Amino acid sequence: DAGVTQSPTHLIKTRGQQVTLRCSPKSGHDTVSWYQQALGQGPQFIFQYYEEEERQRGNFPDRFSGHQFPNYSSELNVNALLLGDSALYLCASSLDHRSNEQFFGPGTRLTVL
Amino acid sequence: GDSVTQMEGPVTLSEEAFLTINCTYTATGYPSLFWYVQYPGEGLQLLLKATKADDKGSNKGFEATYRKETTSFHLEKGSVQVSDSAVYFCALSVGTGNQFYFGTGTSLTVIP
Repeated sequence: DAGVTQSPTHLIKTRGQQVTLRCSPKSGHDTVSWYQQALGQGPQFIFQYYEEEERQRGNFPDRFSGHQFPNYSSELNVNALLLGDSALYLCASSLDHRSNEQFFGPGTRLTVL
Repeated sequence: GDSVTQMEGPVTLSEEAFLTINCTYTATGYPSLFWYVQYPGEGLQLLLKATKADDKGSNKGFEATYRKETTSFHLEKGSVQVSDSAVYFCALSVGTGNQFYFGTGTSLTVIP
């Protein structure tokens, strides 16, 4: 079992650009959540997907959007990047949306210049 | 709203010292409580959890007890090792969608 995987590991973009991050959940998991972890801070919830739809959303602007595919993998898209979007983006999967145990991937480090 | 407040770091201890990292929470419902650990350059790993009042979570010598009366979930370990050096996050989940709320993290360094 590969666990939760994320790609790419690192990414450098410039302000105004768009970025797509990818996540494959742990085998057997159908629910994916995305978090933003700024340097020195705890993860902040962005949104959660299951059954290919966004089910919950944290306090993030519409520039942050996502998608979940039939195989349960997920993408996080960020448009019009700002310097403040620089962070570690974590994907977490859970067995289903009722489960309170989440398994985290290693994250994608995004740097916006 | 729902939130977690945890003891600020960094914390530096000598090997075999006793560890306590304080965590208190505010929640509108009946949360589940968690401690996650993050090693340098890695994602978060679940350390332990408790799902109801008076439950004790334990793993790898770490313990935390869900105290509803004091809304706390303090992390303890009797004898820390150098390999315990990491950042520790207290978290709660509440509601049907199990949205997670994390504290700001406490950095622990254990010196030989």
